[in-house]
Order: sequence, then C-alpha cells, then structure tokens
Amino acid sequence: DSGVTQTPKHLITATGQRVTLRCSPRSGDLSVYWYQQSLDQGLQFLIQYYNGEERAKGNILERFSAQQFPDLHSELNLSSLELGDSALYFCASSVYPGGYGYTFGSGTRLTVV
Amino acid sequence: ELKVEQNPLFLSMQEGKNYTIYCNYSTTSDRLYWYRQDPGKSLESLFVLLSNGAVKQEGRLMASLDTKARLSTLHITAAVHDLSATYFCAGGFSDSNYQLIWGAGTKLIIKP
Repeated sequence: DSGVTQTPKHLITATGQRVTLRCSPRSGDLSVYWYQQSLDQGLQFLIQYYNGEERAKGNILERFSAQQFPDLHSELNLSSLELGDSALYFCASSVYPGGYGYTFGSGTRLTVV
Repeated sequence: ELKVEQNPLFLSMQEGKNYTIYCNYSTTSDRLYWYRQDPGKSLESLFVLLSNGAVKQEGRLMASLDTKARLSTLHITAAVHDLSATYFCAGGFSDSNYQLIWGAGTKLIIKP
C-alpha cells in the first residue's frame, strides 16, 4: 500500500456518461496530481492541485474537471465520455510541488464501451 | 517545450547480462525521476536525481544524471528475471510546478 488511495479500481461505463474518480493522498502530502496512461498517448499529465488550489494544467480535455477538497482528497470528473477516454488514471501525491519523489496510487482503469 | 525520449523502447536480455537504458530530455530539467511499472500495476519510484553528476544505486540498478548532456541513464547489472518490467524516466521543472513529463517507457524482458 503506497498510502495513496484511489477508488474505484475498475470502472466500465457507456459513451456519453459521466464518472468521478477519487483520490486520497498520502498522509501529510499537500500536492495531488492526476495522470492518464493510455496505449497510444503514454503517460500524460492532466492537472495538479496544491492545498486546495489548482497549480498547473496539462493535456486535460474541457470535458474533464477536477478539484481538491479541504480534507485534501481530490476528485477527477470525466463527462461526455468517449471510447478514446478508456485508460488507466493515476493519482499521485507529494508533500509539495517538486517534492522528493511522487507516490502513485494503484490507479483507476476506465473502460468506455 | 520539454520532451523526454527514452531508448530503447523494448529490450530483451538474458539473465546475468548488463545493459543501459537512456533518457534524453530537451531542456534543462530540475529533477529527473525513474519509475518502474509492472503490467497493470502502479508506478513505483526508483530514483530521484537532483543535480549534475548525481549517481544513485539500489541493488542491481544504478541511475546517473548528466545535466550538460541532458542525459540520464539507468544501468542494470547482472540482470535477474525479477527486474522484468517497464521503466519510465520523467523530467520535472520548477517553472511548470514540477508536473512530470514522461518518456515512452522501456519494456524490459529478462529471460532465464
């Protein structure tokens, strides 16, 4: 157990639907990052939060949004899902941006059918 | 724009052999990370390299960083089957809040 908890582990949903992925960072970590891993795009940075505030955005589609709550857990919302959104979504946390190493959760495998 | 390139992308080798994975990056990176991923699993942190000339070793793996050449290497010594995995390098930059920019990964298969 890395200390970063992601739920659910697996998610199968239909095109056009909306899903929410949840991440609880490691105790003491204030920064949360979301990454998408797909066969064709590899690992892509989506978005970063630090202590509740958005700090950086990467290749995140407008259909996707995220937030970090006061208790530091984060949620990634994916809407109007398309087949191409099928991927493994990872959450990582660190004490602060650029902290020594990032701890990754086990990921949520999203399958859009 | 930062780009991170790894090579080779696929490596099949025999147990007991040595090999090196290369990671080139396109602009100055504050930090260089190496991760390991087993199939369908999460990413496990191996090394964080912070400065030019940094060398870190853990077991049969050794990582080094040459910031002038914009090159990091992951060297595998006397490979064993348990090291079979995909290895990623990633660069982090202070001016982009240390979002990680990833290489494509090197799939390493070590045959008994």
